[in-house]
Amino acid sequence: GAGVSQSPSNKVTEKGKDVELRCDPISGHTALYWYRQSLGQGLEFLIYFQGNSAPDKSGLPSDRFSAERTGGSVSTLTIQRTQQEDSAVYLCASSLGGRDYGYTFGSGTRLTVV
Amino acid sequence: AQTVTQSQPEMSVQEAETVTLSCTYDTSESNYYLFWYKQPPSRQMILVIRQEAYKQQNATENRFSVNFQKAAKSFSLKISDSQLGDTAMYFCAFMKHSAGNNRKLIWGLGTSLAVNP
Repeated sequence: GAGVSQSPSNKVTEKGKDVELRCDPISGHTALYWYRQSLGQGLEFLIYFQGNSAPDKSGLPSDRFSAERTGGSVSTLTIQRTQQEDSAVYLCASSLGGRDYGYTFGSGTRLTVV
Repeated sequence: AQTVTQSQPEMSVQEAETVTLSCTYDTSESNYYLFWYKQPPSRQMILVIRQEAYKQQNATENRFSVNFQKAAKSFSLKISDSQLGDTAMYFCAFMKHSAGNNRKLIWGLGTSLAVNP
């Protein structure tokens, strides 16, 4: 597609439920990043995918968080047993890699855990 | 570890005037990139300007320019002839130079800029 697409745009879920957030990167972009933007805490890196390499999961805050990227394209971020502190905007970005250090971001998913 | 500090949580400026947003960072790396991103209410992060640390010349993009002071680890953004559409959150971000590995961004907490008519 022309840009990075994220769905859903907004998600309200009950505490304890599982949620899946989707990111569809720009076609041909080999690198994909997930960030979390929490109120008052800025943005924090969650996970990085590059081609077929093992992902860098060093930013995932707990084992309730996981992500996968199928076929080197679409990525899904899953949060199990959601907690109120998981409420945030989850941003996805993709990059061509190589000599291109630029990112293209999606518009994010606003997750609210009630 | 790298850190990025934006000391101005909120700023305002009159339309057509000039405003400067501050950013300082801490790193032991010698080669890196610095970015300013804009986030309007649509939430999408939009790249405003980028600076490569090995370049002494300050980057400029139309009405946007930076003052990059490597020794002082300072990277301020100047917006000239401010427009109403410049109203947004502005984030300063740091990226280590990396040939192929994780090029994650380290972010400041942001500055909320309001351009007043």
